[in-house]
Amino acid sequence: RKEVEQDPGPFNVPEGATVAFNCTYSNSASQSFFWYRQDCRKEPKLLMSVYSSGNEDGRFTAQLNRASQYISLLIRDSKLSDSATYLCVVPQGGGSYIPTFGRGTSLIVHP
Amino acid sequence: DAGVIQSPRHEVTEMGQEVTLRCKPISGHDYLFWYRQTMMRGLELLIYFNNNVPIDDSGMPEDRFSAKMPNASFSTLKIQPSEPRDSAVYFCASSPTGGNTEAFFGQGTRLTVV
Repeated sequence: RKEVEQDPGPFNVPEGATVAFNCTYSNSASQSFFWYRQDCRKEPKLLMSVYSSGNEDGRFTAQLNRASQYISLLIRDSKLSDSATYLCVVPQGGGSYIPTFGRGTSLIVHP
Repeated sequence: DAGVIQSPRHEVTEMGQEVTLRCKPISGHDYLFWYRQTMMRGLELLIYFNNNVPIDDSGMPEDRFSAKMPNASFSTLKIQPSEPRDSAVYFCASSPTGGNTEAFFGQGTRLTVV
């Protein structure tokens, strides 16, 4: 099993739609989790951190299910500007010092 | 702070040539990571440093790759000799305390080996 797995998509949704991405991870010892956003030909940037059961920031909600070892990202009322690749990040390694990235899920929001 | 600074932004080189990528992390960050991104494999960690010391280089693909961090404000990733399959975007990232905190990325170096 890969350390961090995501459905690559693409998810193609109309404006205003609600879309959800899942990410599964293998290291049960991980305590913190992150979602990053990467625009085309740009660097990844932090979108949200998830330290407990979940986190909400406006239209974005991240949830953590430790028992099943997955985290999810929910985007409500999608905007054209939400089109990007969303990367799930789970710290790995002995001291959980290594940010380990999933392959990313591509989202395309169309008019 | 200006953020993580990488240079060059783009590099085109011929197979067999030496390539050196440079990175200046955010001041005060103890961790520096070098990643490579390709369509096929996504973001792969190549090597990371803690307080200028290389901790894990198991992701470095071959002996042709080497990385150094001579001081807290500068790191290099060198490929010698370069091959076409090394073509990728190389990112440098830094973070205050490692994987449990946000990693700040540079804008990347887009390397093309012809």
